[in-house]
Amino acid sequence: DAGVIQSPRHEVTEMGQEVTLRCKPISGHNSLFWYRQTMMRGLELLIYFNNNVPIDDSGMPEDRFSAKMPNASFSTLKIQPSEPRDSAVYFCASSFGYDSGGVLFFGSGTQLSVL
Amino acid sequence: KQEVTQIPAALSVPEGENLVLNCSFTDSAIYNLQWFRQDPGKGLTSLLLIQSSQREQTSGRLNASLDKSSGRSTLYIAASQPGDSATYLCVGAAGRRALTFGSGTRLQVQP
Repeated sequence: DAGVIQSPRHEVTEMGQEVTLRCKPISGHNSLFWYRQTMMRGLELLIYFNNNVPIDDSGMPEDRFSAKMPNASFSTLKIQPSEPRDSAVYFCASSFGYDSGGVLFFGSGTQLSVL
Repeated sequence: KQEVTQIPAALSVPEGENLVLNCSFTDSAIYNLQWFRQDPGKGLTSLLLIQSSQREQTSGRLNASLDKSSGRSTLYIAASQPGDSATYLCVGAAGRRALTFGSGTRLQVQP
């Protein structure tokens, strides 16, 4: 298996632009997580899906952030409009049987820079 | 909400030393606790996962223990090597509640 695949690896954009981050979880996994990592705040859970349904989105910072999972093999995290304080590394992770203690597998992350 | 604390925040040791990294959590109803390593500029690599019914897991020179009653987990690294230099993170899973990461321990093993 190729693991959790994220794209793009790097994204540089200007303030106000829309940014879309993509994630393909490991085949067969039924839980998907979006995390954000910064030096100041560490790793923060933004949202997680179970069987394509959002379960906990309490970590989504504000209405500018939205996440979708139209099917079991694809998810997007969108920021519109983007702001410099959104600059961070965004990780996607997937798991099988998270509710019963499944192992988390992480993608390589997307480094986002908003100028 | 689950809170996870990792001590120490940073650690520098000479090669060959045995060392212990600590992880404390507030919600004892966790399903499992997972240890990761993160190299600079890279993603997270899973090291060990301990289910709530287990007390420890071992992989090579690594041993992780879990004490739910006291809200603690430890990661023991035997005979440390320069290649072990990384940030080590723990995360507790608690069902439908959010997974929370600790802030990590930055380990530097000097050759």
